[in-house]
This record gives sequence, C-alpha cells and structure tokens, in this order.
Amino acid sequence: EDKVVQSPLSLVVHEGDTVTLNCSYEVTNFRSLLWYKQEKKAPTFLFMLTSSGIEKKSGRLSSILDKKELSSILNITATQTGDSAIYLCAVEYGNKLVFGAGTILRVKS
Amino acid sequence: DTGVSQDPRHKITKRGQNVTFRCDPISEHNRLYWYRQTLGQGPEFLTYFQNEAQLEKSRLLSDRFSAERPKGSFSTLEIQRTEQGDSAMYLCASSMGTSGRALHEQYFGPGTRLTVT
Repeated sequence: EDKVVQSPLSLVVHEGDTVTLNCSYEVTNFRSLLWYKQEKKAPTFLFMLTSSGIEKKSGRLSSILDKKELSSILNITATQTGDSAIYLCAVEYGNKLVFGAGTILRVKS
Repeated sequence: DTGVSQDPRHKITKRGQNVTFRCDPISEHNRLYWYRQTLGQGPEFLTYFQNEAQLEKSRLLSDRFSAERPKGSFSTLEIQRTEQGDSAMYLCASSMGTSGRALHEQYFGPGTRLTVT
C-alpha cells in the first residue's frame, strides 16, 4: 500500500535554531513530492519537487528530493515563532496526493 | 476573497442524518479535490473532478459518500446516514489542472468540521 512517513512527529526548538524535517515514501509510479504548511486551518503550498538532487529554496526554507533513497528533507534556518505549524509532505501519483501525518513544529521565543 | 471557500465551516449533526457540504473553487481552476482529515493525520484523498467529470472516486469511504460538480464550478459532498466515525474535517482543494506545478499546486479551502453526535 502506498504510504508516506514523516519524522519526527513533533519538534520543539528555540527561535534562531535550524530544523530538518524528514519525509520518506513508498509509492508506485511516483511523479512528484510536495510540502505544505498547515497552521490553524487549510494547508498552504510550499514546494513541489520532481527531480532528484535539485534544491528548491524560498527564503529561509529549502527542500531537496532523493529519489534513490525515496525521501525528501525540508530545512528551515533561523526559525521564527511564525514557523510554528504542521508541515505536511505529500506524494503525487495517479493525479492524487497521498499525505503523511505531518511534523508538528513549535518554535519557542 | 478569491480563494477556495467552503460552507458551512462547522456542522453538528445527529447520527443517522444526512449532511451536504459545498465547495467553491478558485474560478479559473478546473480541478477540484475532496479530502478528509482527522486529528493527528494528514489529509486523506477522497475524490476529484476535472471540470464536471468525476475522474476518481474509488477512495470515497463508503457508498454513503457521494460528490457532484454538476456545472464544473462548485461541488457538493454528501454523507448519508452519518456515523460517529464520520466526524472529521472535510477539506476541498482546487488546482489549474494543466501540467507541472499548476497541476499539482492545490489550493485548500478552510474546511468544514463535521461533528456527529
């Protein structure tokens, strides 16, 4: 069965720390991997990755895909309290997304 | 507001009742998706539409669940004979549905939280 596993399940850090969130997947016919941020309501899109080894960056966030290892990481540098959220990883196959359970990140001031 | 909207935002119903939720996607988006999210889990795919055509519905949780998008614009999700296990957040998302990032960058609505008592 297709599955997406994220680790850690939750994480508490202090402002200014750097965090790395992990996502691994077992999906047939992989097409792309997406990262979303979910605060109190709907998930918002962060990145889409299709090619191995190419880093995507947006400000303090970056992500990279390793197709050989069937995994991806999301890095957040110089964390801020506003980064506190659930970070969801999803893998696209067959025109639908399969989500992991998410990593709950809490950034303390 | 030109984002995805859902109505109602909250619904409390008694077991056995039918409920219907509405989703209005972003106007130029031709793909519309329904997900269910329970506490501590990521969204779980239910079904999706390309315009008015329902292209995938095998993940609908049971025959009590049905979805429509009659004119290719808004969509409804109906749950008949609700059960307590149906209590969850029901999320709608839409995307441009063309290719690459436009296909996969799904914009989510605020969700409808269903509580079955």
